[in-house]
Amino acid sequence: DVKVTQSSRYLVKRTGEKVFLECVQDMDHENMFWYRQDPGLGLRLIYFSYDVKMKEKGDIPEGYSVSREKKERFSLILESASTNQTSMYLCASNREGARGYTFGSGTRLTVV
Amino acid sequence: GNSVTQMEGPVTLSEEAFLTINCTYTATGYPSLFWYVQYPGEGLQLLLKATKADDKGSNKGFEATYRKETTSFHLEKGSVQVSDSAVYFCALGSFGNEKLTFGTGTRLTIIP
Repeated sequence: DVKVTQSSRYLVKRTGEKVFLECVQDMDHENMFWYRQDPGLGLRLIYFSYDVKMKEKGDIPEGYSVSREKKERFSLILESASTNQTSMYLCASNREGARGYTFGSGTRLTVV
Repeated sequence: GNSVTQMEGPVTLSEEAFLTINCTYTATGYPSLFWYVQYPGEGLQLLLKATKADDKGSNKGFEATYRKETTSFHLEKGSVQVSDSAVYFCALGSFGNEKLTFGTGTRLTIIP
């Protein structure tokens, strides 16, 4: 069964901490994506990557960075967590040229 | 640019009622259209999709028809069950662009 795995379902971090959210896919997909989901706002794209070491900003990249050192792993980094980054974070992947995603189960991050 | 507008929720129905969740879109070219479902505490799962005009996607009793003339992709089900309670997202993918554009989501609650 193909999978996108997010390392944590729930995280609680303090303001100012550096936070790493990890995502791993086992489908050899070229493209990986990070979204955040907030009530009334739907899914908003933070960053995406179309190849190892390649990345592009999405619609709301401020306060975030990403790392893709291996094809299967895409990390989202909150350099200095703030309370307005409390949200559900969703990772997704797809093959080059594909339409539609496979999603992970999500990480619910609370910054206190 | 691309955009998706879907029916605001929440929507509450009784079991066995008929369901419609409206979705309209704006896009250049010939997009693919998707409905994703998110059950409580989980990530998004693909429910159905359609890749060209007049295509009908269907799964688990849900249907949606790609209507180019009205730029719509409304989700329907003839008889809903309590287990259909979830958040439903309409999404659009353009040709040559692997990123999806999502609507804001519609929360559906089915009461016995």
